[in-house]
Amino acid sequence: ETGVTQSPTHLIKTRGQQVTLRCSSQSGHNTVSWYQQALGQGPQFIFQYYREEENGRGNFPPRFSGLQFPNYSSELNVNALELDDSALYLCASSLYTGELFFGEGSRLTVL
Amino acid sequence: AQRVTQPEKLLSVFKGAPVELKCNYSYSGSPELFWYVQYSRQRLQLLLRHISRESIKGFTADLNKGETSFHLKKPFAQEEDSAMYYCALRGSSNTGKLIFGQGTTLQVKP
Repeated sequence: ETGVTQSPTHLIKTRGQQVTLRCSSQSGHNTVSWYQQALGQGPQFIFQYYREEENGRGNFPPRFSGLQFPNYSSELNVNALELDDSALYLCASSLYTGELFFGEGSRLTVL
Repeated sequence: AQRVTQPEKLLSVFKGAPVELKCNYSYSGSPELFWYVQYSRQRLQLLLRHISRESIKGFTADLNKGETSFHLKKPFAQEEDSAMYYCALRGSSNTGKLIFGQGTTLQVKP
């Protein structure tokens, strides 16, 4: 059984660019959640996908968007990057109401 | 507003001493409370949840609805307990949304 994997692990972008982060769910899990963790802060909920549909969203602007695919893997897209978007982005998979299993994260730096 | 507060950024104790990591929450309803732990160079993982009422690695946490607290306790700290600990809340109407505190670094000195 493989755990949650995320790619890339690190990336650097400049302001105004767009980024796509990817997440493979743990086997058997149908729900994916994305979190943003700024330095020195706890993770902050971005949104959740269940069976390919967004099912809950945190206080993030529309330029943060996502997808979930039929195999339950997921993407997080961020458009028009801002300096404050620099953070660790965590993906977590679960069965709908079950325990969240986190990936190791993708560290995004925006210059 | 829904909020989780962990008042201590760093808690430093000696091996064998008791540990209490504080967590207070604000939520109008019946939330689920969790403690997550992140050991050095490892991913965030669930330590315990209040509904299971388990003791994991010697840690316990009791939900006190009157004081809106969910403090994490261990009677005798071990060096391997050194890690970052996050308290988190899940509201009854949101399955995937966890609200995390800012985290407390526990440092257990030999």
